[in-house]
Amino acid sequence: EAGVAQSPRYKIIEKRQSVAFWCNPISGHATLYWYQQILGQGPKLLIQFQNNGVVDDSQLPKDRFSAERLKGVDSTLKIQPAKLEDSAVYLCASSPGLNQPQHFGDGTRLSIL
Amino acid sequence: GNSVTQMEGPVTLSEEAFLTINCTYTATGYPSLFWYVQYPGEGLQLLLKATKADDKGSNKGFEATYRKETTSFHLEKGSVQVSDSAVYFCALIATDKLIFGTGTRLQVFP
Repeated sequence: EAGVAQSPRYKIIEKRQSVAFWCNPISGHATLYWYQQILGQGPKLLIQFQNNGVVDDSQLPKDRFSAERLKGVDSTLKIQPAKLEDSAVYLCASSPGLNQPQHFGDGTRLSIL
Repeated sequence: GNSVTQMEGPVTLSEEAFLTINCTYTATGYPSLFWYVQYPGEGLQLLLKATKADDKGSNKGFEATYRKETTSFHLEKGSVQVSDSAVYFCALIATDKLIFGTGTRLQVFP
């Protein structure tokens, strides 16, 4: 079974630029999550999709972050404009459904200069 | 609210030593509990889980028992290897929210 795929693995941008991350979940997984993991901390949920609908985006800084999952499969997370404090690893996870174990991708490490 | 507290690291051990990483939780209801492991440069991998009180999760020589009376889910391994060096996260799921502890770094030396 193929795992959760994320790209790019690394991204370096200057503050105020924009950036986008892509995630392809495990086939058949209805639920998709984006997490932000700041160095030395546990992952923090940014947004959760069930199929192509948003279940929870209460922790997403909506003034600069956006995410979509238009066809209920792949998802993109965008930051525009980036701030220094956005430097983190952005993890995508998927699960077969609600309250099921989540499977994580390798993440995208974002550095803001 | 729901939260997870882990012992701070790093935990430094010699190969074949006994490992314990403490984890306690606060939650309403009866959450499922997990341990995830993160190797350098990689995402999180589910190590083991327990879904109800007194359940024991186990995988790759690691074990953890869901203790409702002490609200704990301590991770143990009888004999660690250098390859176990990683960051370990305790987590709970409640109302479909996966809540992580801050992680404990384990360093195992030959």
